[in-house]
Amino acid sequence: EDQVTQSPEALRLQEGESSSLNCSYTVSGLRGLFWYRQDPGKGPEFLFTLYSAGEEKEKERLKATLTKKESFLHITAPKPEDSATYLCAVQASGTYKYIFGTGTRLKVLA
Amino acid sequence: DGGITQSPKYLFRKEGQNVTLSCEQNLNHDAMYWYRQDPGQGLRLIYYSQIVNDFQKGDIAEGYSVSREKKESFPLTVTSAQKNPTAFYLCASSMEWGRGGYNEQFFGPGTRLTVL
Repeated sequence: EDQVTQSPEALRLQEGESSSLNCSYTVSGLRGLFWYRQDPGKGPEFLFTLYSAGEEKEKERLKATLTKKESFLHITAPKPEDSATYLCAVQASGTYKYIFGTGTRLKVLA
Repeated sequence: DGGITQSPKYLFRKEGQNVTLSCEQNLNHDAMYWYRQDPGQGLRLIYYSQIVNDFQKGDIAEGYSVSREKKESFPLTVTSAQKNPTAFYLCASSMEWGRGGYNEQFFGPGTRLTVL
């Protein structure tokens, strides 16, 4: 069964304290892995798509990486405005469905 | 500006009522989706549609219905058969990728449904 697991469930960081969020997946042929940011009461906002192991994408303080079993979202020198829930999703080859993890709630303290 | 709109933002339903949530996109995307989000759970797929006049059940379709009469619109009806409809509902769309499958999804702002 295709599955996505995110860890930790919640993370508190001091401003400037770098860390990483994990997204582990099992899927029968990965078509793509997607990262989203979701603020409370709002729809998810697209961040990155990764297609193959070894691929990396960067945007401001965020960097996403991908291996054959997991993806990491690295946050460098975070700021309070980076506080949000970060969601990971995968799409398996031959399907049009996306499977989401339960997310990591990030809180960055000033 | 291209994007996805959902209305209303907040919706209150009485027991036994059917209610319809609106979703419109002007991104010219082929596929549209409805998800339900509950606290502590991931997004769960209700229905999805790849083309006009065609749609498929997702993982939790019982008590819900949809239609896709236009490419831009994918309304969701929450029927009285849905026993626990209080949740945050999200609509999304995506564009088909040439080698099969779809690209990243873009989401609307969501509708929060509360049963009174």
